[in-house]
Amino acid sequence: SAVISQKPSRDICQRGTSLTIQCQVDSQVTMMFWYRQQPGQSLTLIATANQGSEATYESGFVIDKFPISRPNLTFSTLTVSNMSPEDSSIYLCSVESRGAMLQYFGPGTRLTVL
Amino acid sequence: KQEVTQIPAALSVPEGENLVLNCSFTDSAIYNLQWFRQDPGKGLTSLLLIQSSQREQTSGRLNASLDKSSGRSTLYIAASQPGDSATYLCAVIQGLADSWGKLQFGAGTQVVVTP
Repeated sequence: SAVISQKPSRDICQRGTSLTIQCQVDSQVTMMFWYRQQPGQSLTLIATANQGSEATYESGFVIDKFPISRPNLTFSTLTVSNMSPEDSSIYLCSVESRGAMLQYFGPGTRLTVL
Repeated sequence: KQEVTQIPAALSVPEGENLVLNCSFTDSAIYNLQWFRQDPGKGLTSLLLIQSSQREQTSGRLNASLDKSSGRSTLYIAASQPGDSATYLCAVIQGLADSWGKLQFGAGTQVVVTP
């Protein structure tokens, strides 16, 4: 299994500012993903963080709003840019074990935008 | 487009009763289905993974079945305990090359087990 940590665990931010969330894994993994869970909703995939190339975004999510970095096989960041109250959510990173079978999730970052 | 639905949305049972959680999906061309548990303030914990070629998986008190042709999976939790109180999510991965690793989640079933 993989142990995943995220920083920060929670934050309260002002409208119009940006927040960068870090995801660190204790072992090298091929695939890393970023999900969003809005209040009372289930998880929605934002993007796949690709090592050495640009992230692949799902429909409805764009790089200017959610820039992602993946400098190596154990670390990724997600930035939520120019935040509005609608961005208040839990953001989670996940990694896949070999063969896209079991997936492991970080503890999440709870973001509140005022 | 794949749609994943979980029924019921919430469930409350007395301790000792068996839990039955349902998950349905509209596109049967899945690669696998995974059940997760989510506790407040924590991330997701993987419970069981069922490959598309399998009919069921078991782990301790947990048993998950999969009927791919009818687009259904059921999670059974035997002899429920208060510690089983959590939100249970099912998620599927489509069997398409560009869907590799991408989980599509249901909305979850919130379970409360009362002592």
